[in-house]
Amino acid sequence: DAGVIQSPRHEVTEMGQEVTLRCKPISGHNSLFWYRQTMMRGLELLIYFNNNVPIDDSGMPEDRFSAKMPNASFSTLKIQPSEPRDSAVYFCASSLGFWAFFGQGTRLTVV
Amino acid sequence: GIQVEQSPPDLILQEGANSTLRCNFSDSVNNLQWFHQNPWGQLINLFYIPSGTKQNGRLSATTVATERYSLLYISSSQTTDSGVYFCAVARNTDKLIFGTGTRLQVFP
Repeated sequence: DAGVIQSPRHEVTEMGQEVTLRCKPISGHNSLFWYRQTMMRGLELLIYFNNNVPIDDSGMPEDRFSAKMPNASFSTLKIQPSEPRDSAVYFCASSLGFWAFFGQGTRLTVV
Repeated sequence: GIQVEQSPPDLILQEGANSTLRCNFSDSVNNLQWFHQNPWGQLINLFYIPSGTKQNGRLSATTVATERYSLLYISSSQTTDSGVYFCAVARNTDKLIFGTGTRLQVFP
């Protein structure tokens, strides 16, 4: 398996624009997580899904953030409208059981 | 929620030295993992160790669940060990909570 695949790897966008981050989990994994990493706040869990169902979205910072998992092999994290303070590295991870495997992340810069 | 504290925050070593990284957590957990984030940002899982001791090459980890801490040992450090080491825990859910990390720099 190729591991967790995220796209794009880098994204630069202007304030106010919509941003969509994509994730393909490892085949067969039943849990999927979205994390955000910043210098100030470290690694924060935004939302996680189990069997494609959102279980806990308490980490989603604002209504501007939304996440979907339409099927077991794909998830999106959308920010609309984006703001400079959303600049961060966004990681997707998947697991089956306790081991969590991370993608390479998407570095988002909002100018 | 569970609080996860790691120490030291920064560690500078010369190649060949040994080190111990510590992770304290505020509540009982049934999932504890150690990760290494390399200088390119990739997060790599090292150990799943909610209790007991495990070893993998030059790395080993011990978790004392009753006392709510875990230790990561790195022996004969190499420059490729540089990066940030994270401890992450979960209690009764899949929701992994990460500590603040220990930044390790190994110089030749």
